Amino acid sequence: DAGVTQSPTHLIKTRGQQVTLRCSPKSGHDTVSWYQQALGQGPQFIFQYYEEEERQRGNFPDRFSGHQFPNYSSELNVNALLLGDSALYLCASSLFLADRNYEQYFGPGTRLTVT
Amino acid sequence: LAKTTQPISMDSYEGQEVNITCSHNNIATNDYITWYQQFPSQGPRFIIQGYKTKVTNEVASLFIPADRKSSTLSLPRGSLSDTAVYYCLVGDNPPPLDSSYKLIFGSGTRLLVRP
Repeated sequence: DAGVTQSPTHLIKTRGQQVTLRCSPKSGHDTVSWYQQALGQGPQFIFQYYEEEERQRGNFPDRFSGHQFPNYSSELNVNALLLGDSALYLCASSLFLADRNYEQYFGPGTRLTVT
Repeated sequence: LAKTTQPISMDSYEGQEVNITCSHNNIATNDYITWYQQFPSQGPRFIIQGYKTKVTNEVASLFIPADRKSSTLSLPRGSLSDTAVYYCLVGDNPPPLDSSYKLIFGSGTRLLVRP
């Protein structure tokens, strides 16, 4: 049973560039949520995708966008990178119709460094 | 949304019971209490969830008093491998229409289990 996978593991970008991060959910899951975790902080919710639509969004600017594909995998795109975007980006998958599905499965994350 | 307060850090010793308390004074009637564990360079991992009284699984126990304004995560016999950050989460219940739950993390408790 495949768990949540993310790619790449690490990434270094320059200010102003654009980046795309990828996530494959756990087998059988249909909902993908993205979180940003700054060093020493708890993860912060960016947005959630289900049925290829953004369902909820946290307090992040429009520079952060996403997409979900028919196979439930997802991408997170960040435009016009800022130094403050340096963080660990986590993808979590879950089953939309599960009862009180606080049990979300996280991938290992992508470490983004903006210089 | 309910806000949680946890100790920033805790120390314990191998073999001792570990109890981490979380305060959530503004918890709503429908809110559940969920705990996640995170090791360095990994995504968070679901530990346990409860609504009231006591919940136990193979990993931990969760104690919730009648007023539900706090909860205590208990690891029966702390081991070195329990060294991690522990997050207490409450809230976002119910989620917005046609959405699933999003997780709202605080800063967590850094637990160090010593030999």
